Amino acid sequence: GAVVSQHPSWVICKSGTSVKIECRSLDFQATTMFWYRQFPKQSLMLMATSNEGSKATYEQGVEKDKFLINHASLTLSTLTVTSAHPEDSSFYICSCYGAGGFYNEQFFGPGTRLTVL
Amino acid sequence: LAKTTQPISMDSYEGQEVNITCSHNNIATNDYITWYQQFPSQGPRFIIQGYKTKVTNEVASLFIPADRKSSTLSLPRVSLSDTAVYYCLVLYGGSQGNLIFGKGTKLSVKP
Repeated sequence: GAVVSQHPSWVICKSGTSVKIECRSLDFQATTMFWYRQFPKQSLMLMATSNEGSKATYEQGVEKDKFLINHASLTLSTLTVTSAHPEDSSFYICSCYGAGGFYNEQFFGPGTRLTVL
Repeated sequence: LAKTTQPISMDSYEGQEVNITCSHNNIATNDYITWYQQFPSQGPRFIIQGYKTKVTNEVASLFIPADRKSSTLSLPRVSLSDTAVYYCLVLYGGSQGNLIFGKGTKLSVKP
């Protein structure tokens, strides 16, 4: 399957600071990327859908001004958590669509653990 | 998107066959059934997808009855490394749709 990377794999930051998470598709061009958030012992929650060259579409309840998404190329999407607070601490996972042979097959990155102190 | 229902947790022992059943009563004609596996602190991984009858790959088998209102993921001879959360999703075929994850089934394999 296709390979998706995320950087960093974990990050600790102080409350009020901003954190940028990168998601890269390493061996294919991803026209669409998705960002998920997962709290401990819970399922993945879709945050936003990102299409290359256009604005992201956010799910209901997700603040677009707080979670800035940029999908400037077919291999890179970034999620910036602005003015992070402890309640933003979570596991952030990206996925890429576009290379699989199955319907709606998405390839997920390894995730980024964000801890806000 | 069709809603799915699956057991919250299952226990098994190494070497046993594990069957996880998922209910999707309102599945539509163009919907595909897909299973993902997630290990702790990792992103989900695609396991298998099917539309009807039986699908088999090197990892698992997927059984889908004629009415397609349920499906069963079968893991042959599980090992400790199969301990993970397994998600059943019903996806509309042919579209770049969002994946809506349910609670999944936490499978614990014991020695």
